Amino acid sequence: GDSVTQMEGPVTLSEEAFLTINCTYTATGYPSLFWYVQYPGEGLQLLLKATKADDKGSNKGFEATYRKETTSFHLEKGSVQVSDSAVYFCALSDRDFGNEKLTFGTGTRLTIIP
Amino acid sequence: NAGVTQTPKFQVLKTGQSMTLQCAQDMNHNSMYWYRQDPGMGLRLIYYSASEGTTDKGEVPNGYNVSRLNKREFSLRLESAAPSQTSVYFCASVDRGRDQPQHFGDGTRLSIL
Repeated sequence: GDSVTQMEGPVTLSEEAFLTINCTYTATGYPSLFWYVQYPGEGLQLLLKATKADDKGSNKGFEATYRKETTSFHLEKGSVQVSDSAVYFCALSDRDFGNEKLTFGTGTRLTIIP
Repeated sequence: NAGVTQTPKFQVLKTGQSMTLQCAQDMNHNSMYWYRQDPGMGLRLIYYSASEGTTDKGEVPNGYNVSRLNKREFSLRLESAAPSQTSVYFCASVDRGRDQPQHFGDGTRLSIL
C-alpha cells in the first residue's frame, strides 16, 4: 500500500537558518503530494501541494518539488522565523476520484530559536 | 467562516463508558473523515464517508462506529472506551475533485482512564 516516510524530529534551528525536512513516498499510482502544518492546539492546515512530477508547490516562503525519479517531496525554506515553529506533515493522496484518502507521514516537530 | 467544527474539545472518560464525537462542516463538502493522532504515529484514518449515506473503514476502525447523519455532519462513536483509545481525534472534509486539500477541525482531546 501507499506510505510516506519523513524526517524524524524534533528539529531545532536558529532564526534565519535554512530548513530542509525530507519526505519520501511509496505509491502504486501517481499520487498528489501535500505538506500540512499543525500549530499548537490547532488542526492541520494545508501548506502547499504538487499534483504531478516536477511541479513545485510554494507558500509562505516554503517550497517543495515533486520528484518522481527519487519519489521525494522535500520541504525547504531559505530563512525560517520563530513563527514557523510547528509540526509539519508530508502526505500523499490516493488518486481514486471521489475517494480522496490521505496517507500521512509521522510528522516533524520544528522549533525555531530567536 | 466556521469550516469544520468539532465538539467537544476535551473529554475524560472512564474505561467502558461510551461517547460520541461530533463533527460538522459548512463548506458543502461531499467527503468527510475521522483520524486519530498519536505521538510518533502521524494521523491514521479511522473511518471515512465519500458521500452522504456511505461510510467505509479506514486503517484503524476497531472499537469505533460512525454515522453520516446528513451532508454536513459525521459523528464518531466509542461504544466501550478503552485506554488505548486515548488520543487526539480530528475530523476533516474535502470537496470532490482531484487534488483538493482536506480541511481539518481543531481536534478533540480524549483521555480514557
